[in-house]
Amino acid sequence: GENVEQHPSTLSVQEGDSAVIKCTYSDSASNYFPWYKQELGKGPQLIIDIRSNVGEKKDQRIAVTLNKTAKHFSLHITETQPEDSAVYFCAALNTNAGKSTFGDGTTLTVKP
Amino acid sequence: GAGVSQTPSNKVTEKGKYVELRCDPISGHTALYWYRQSLGQGPEFLIYFQGTGAADDSGLPNDRFFAVRPEGSVSTLKIQRTERGDSAVYLCASSLNGGDQETQYFGPGTRLLVL
Repeated sequence: GENVEQHPSTLSVQEGDSAVIKCTYSDSASNYFPWYKQELGKGPQLIIDIRSNVGEKKDQRIAVTLNKTAKHFSLHITETQPEDSAVYFCAALNTNAGKSTFGDGTTLTVKP
Repeated sequence: GAGVSQTPSNKVTEKGKYVELRCDPISGHTALYWYRQSLGQGPEFLIYFQGTGAADDSGLPNDRFFAVRPEGSVSTLKIQRTERGDSAVYLCASSLNGGDQETQYFGPGTRLLVL
């Protein structure tokens, strides 16, 4: 089955700096890669996603890159703000199979 | 429009008891997923429904776990003879129809504590 590894497990940055979180996956059949933000006591919320036919996607301060050959994808947050502090999860999914495999999360702390 | 809702938000039970956790998906979403999240880890897939049927139940850890979705909307996750190791947050998610419409919307979860 699919195996997703995520790092770092914790990341602390100064407000205004950039943050990068990286994930690798093992199953070449995975074709959809969402990123979720989870705040304390809440369920994960989708913040950006990328499909396997695209190398990069950007939405305001958030961008995701995908390298299918190397089987890794990354989340980039620029101009970080204290409200970006949360746990971020990557996931990999084969849309023909339905189930997602998640990384173990990155706790991002943005210091004002 | 309401999102995914889950009840109860918290459940404390004793080892050996039976529990039911409920999920109300977004109206019109045909795909529904259950995950279990232990402290410090990502959600772990349990089961995926497409309509009323379980399309993939490969994540259910053993036969003490069972889930139903009789009318293709609300789903109930049932755990028999609970064990302390079952303590976790149980998350439900729904998507429009699975497959290419795969964006999953998560509920807030049910925090289960087995004493």
